Amino acid sequence: SYELTQPLSVSVALGQTARITCGGNNIGSKNVHWYQQKPGQAPVLVIYRDSNRPSGIPERFSGSNSGNTATLTISRAQAGDEADYYCQVWDSSTGEVFGGGTKLTVL
Amino acid sequence: EVQLVQSGAEVKKPGESLKISCKGSGYSFTSYWIGWVRQMPGKGLEWMGIIYPGDSDTRYSPSFQGQVTISADKSISTAYLQWSSLKASDTAMYYCVRVLRGYSYGLTTDNWFDPWGQGTLVTVSS
Repeated sequence: SYELTQPLSVSVALGQTARITCGGNNIGSKNVHWYQQKPGQAPVLVIYRDSNRPSGIPERFSGSNSGNTATLTISRAQAGDEADYYCQVWDSSTGEVFGGGTKLTVL
Repeated sequence: EVQLVQSGAEVKKPGESLKISCKGSGYSFTSYWIGWVRQMPGKGLEWMGIIYPGDSDTRYSPSFQGQVTISADKSISTAYLQWSSLKASDTAMYYCVRVLRGYSYGLTTDNWFDPWGQGTLVTVSS
């Protein structure tokens, strides 16, 4: 079955750039989607199909995907960006696959 | 506004049955798949399965096949997730999602989820 690997935690200083990775075998050949989940809330889609932002998501959120790693980049990090972030892909054999999630801390 | 509104929190005993709901609004309910996602306490997201309300075509994750039943009533734009005999390990938050699909030459290339329902907390305890 297909697996996605994320770091358990990432820290970033206020106003700096945070990068959250999502590793998978040849993930660059798949479309990757990212979700933000703040404490006590439902997840929200922040990036779809590698690098597309849904309406209402700030331009500070961007994504890339190549080789064995997809990356969610959050520029000018704010306190309100503190959350868990999950990557997700669809695999023809496994179906939907989520990464284990990364806790982002803004210092 | 596209919205999914789920039924309220439930507290059940092991062995009891349960059916939770998810009502869609603001879009054509029969034109999009609806999915269910489990989140156990303090854990990550797990895909359970999806249903196409237009014809009730249903797919399950192998991990949940036989453990739950997904259904839909298109006349009232509502999808359901049900258990016939709950276990303590079913204690979790359950989210419904609208599934957006990508296609290439008629074949599915990917799915993503937007929006999410607010979640239904199911607690199973004796």
